[in-house]
Amino acid sequence: EPEVTQTPSHQVTQMGQEVILRCVPISNHLYFYWYRQILGQKVEFLVSFYNNEISEKSEIFDDQFSVERPDGSNFTLKIRSTKLEDSAMYFCASSEALAGWDEQYFGPGTRLTVT
Amino acid sequence: DAKTTQPTSMDCAEGRAANLPCNHSTISGNEYVYWYRQIHSQGPQYIIHGLKNNETNEMASLIITEDRKSSTLILPHATLRDTAVYYCIVRVVGQFYFGTGTSLTVIP
Repeated sequence: EPEVTQTPSHQVTQMGQEVILRCVPISNHLYFYWYRQILGQKVEFLVSFYNNEISEKSEIFDDQFSVERPDGSNFTLKIRSTKLEDSAMYFCASSEALAGWDEQYFGPGTRLTVT
Repeated sequence: DAKTTQPTSMDCAEGRAANLPCNHSTISGNEYVYWYRQIHSQGPQYIIHGLKNNETNEMASLIITEDRKSSTLILPHATLRDTAVYYCIVRVVGQFYFGTGTSLTVIP
């Protein structure tokens, strides 16, 4: 069964450093998403992406964040200058369509630890 | 998107049916009811969704009341691996809003 994959599974970085989290969505999916979950808190939406453009973003997704689909398979989340509060699990998701009836499939997540 | 209300936690004996309720009294006509679950800190796993009719798949059944103001997720024969946080989400399109969910513990 096709699945969303994410690398690395765990990333440790120092405050102020740039990090890139990578995702490979399901191959026939067209819509891509990033969510995050700070330890012990809810899963929060960051951004959605379609046709090489951001469709929607939350207040969390500020100028420090960017997303890119550099090739036909990868979808990346870049944090330009990490802060301690960026420590969280980051989940990538993808869906075939942007419709109420279409489910999103989530990857296993990348645990980001900022020291 | 409409707000949902779920019990904070529930227990279920292994092998028995787990019935997880969800209230969504402000749901609008075009909002779908989705269920996801999250085991430990893994990525949320899609379970099932529906609009008006009851739905069943290999994982679970979804019962939606006729007025659509509440629903129940049924895991017919709970196993220890079903221990997880279960999220009921109503949505029209786009992002999912995850609440705090129901922490289901399956007891041997």
